[in-house]
Amino acid sequence: EAGVAQSPRYKIIEKRQSVAFWCNPISGHATLYWYQQILGQGPKLLIQFQNNGVVDDSQLPKDRFSAERLKGVDSTLKIQPAKLEDSAVYLCASSSPQVGQQAYEQYFGPGTRLTVT
Amino acid sequence: QKEVEQNSGPLSVPEGAIASLNCTYSDRGSQSFFWYRQYSGKSPELIMFIYSNGDKEDGRFTAQLNKASQYVSLLIRDSQPSDSATYLCAVINWNTGFQKLVFGTGTRLLVSP
Repeated sequence: EAGVAQSPRYKIIEKRQSVAFWCNPISGHATLYWYQQILGQGPKLLIQFQNNGVVDDSQLPKDRFSAERLKGVDSTLKIQPAKLEDSAVYLCASSSPQVGQQAYEQYFGPGTRLTVT
Repeated sequence: QKEVEQNSGPLSVPEGAIASLNCTYSDRGSQSFFWYRQYSGKSPELIMFIYSNGDKEDGRFTAQLNKASQYVSLLIRDSQPSDSATYLCAVINWNTGFQKLVFGTGTRLLVSP
């Protein structure tokens, strides 16, 4: 089974520029997550989708970050305008709710390393 | 108080020793507990999960859960240099209705040959 795909793998931009990240989850996984992982910290959930609906975006800085999951499959995360503190790895993950709580697992993609200068 | 707390380390152990990684959590409603391993520059990968009090063993790994003390640990027996990585503890409270993993900051483990 193919894993979670993300692109690009690396991105360097200047502050105030915009950037977009793409994620393709594991086939059949209805739930998709975007995390931000700052160096030395654990991943922090930005937004969670169930199919194409938002379940939780309480930690998404909505003044500059946006995300969508059209057709309930691929997803994009956008930052506009970027700030220096947005430098981080952006991880996409997916899971299948059908497996139940006792077999629950989130599968992570390789991540996009963003550097804002 | 952070929701999930871990000592950032590094925890240094010699090859062949037992590495003990600890995690405490603040949400008493947490029900499922996960240990992820993250190599430098890589994404997290799940190595263990536990949801009942007590021990759960899988090969060289043992997860231990004590809900009364809000404490979960990971033991790695016969540690190998390839175990050197950051170990992330994560918890879920299913009662929130969200499948939301809350991560700790991770403990960096160094296994010396």
